Amino acid sequence: AQSVTQPDIHITVSEGASLELRCNYSYGATPYLFWYVQSPGQGLQLLLKYFSGDTLVQGIKGFEAEFKRSQSSFNLRKPSVHWSDAAEYFCAVGRYSADGLTFGKGTHLIIQP
Amino acid sequence: DGGITQSPKYLFRKEGQNVTLSCEQNLNHDAMYWYRQDPGQGLRLIYYSQIVNDFQKGDIAEGYSVSREKKESFPLTVTSAQKNPTAFYLCASHQQGGETQYFGPGTRLLVL
Repeated sequence: AQSVTQPDIHITVSEGASLELRCNYSYGATPYLFWYVQSPGQGLQLLLKYFSGDTLVQGIKGFEAEFKRSQSSFNLRKPSVHWSDAAEYFCAVGRYSADGLTFGKGTHLIIQP
Repeated sequence: DGGITQSPKYLFRKEGQNVTLSCEQNLNHDAMYWYRQDPGQGLRLIYYSQIVNDFQKGDIAEGYSVSREKKESFPLTVTSAQKNPTAFYLCASHQQGGETQYFGPGTRLLVL
């Protein structure tokens, strides 16, 4: 069965510092991989996705992620965080983009002034 | 504006009562999904439908039912068999051949 692990429940980062959120997945083949962001009480917004090709993918709001097959990882990065980046971040995996997705439990990002 | 509408924003259920959550999309997407979100648990798939009049159970379908009579609508009923219904419910949709699931704003269900 497929699964997604986000090892960090909470992360605190100073504004302007770099950020890396970890995501590890378990899947039988190369999956479709996604990062979503959620503000409190809101729906989810897609940050970026990986299906195939270049393993470094660029997303919205200055985020990027790198797919590492050997490590079954899809970590999210941002070189300099802004206070508006404070939110919940979810990594997700699916067999096809049309399948229901399997989500990690999320990482809550706190930005310190 | 195109998008996904979920109503109501907040919903209260009494013990033993069935309640229905609405999800409507005007994106002309083929597939629609229901997820449940609990604190610290991420999102879990309840049901999904890839075409009208057809749907599949997700990981936690027990205590829930759905229908897909129209392409744009995918209502979720939380039945009295669902013993712990308090959660945030998110609806999503996806276009066949596309790459992304788009999410609605969610409905928070509370038990009185």
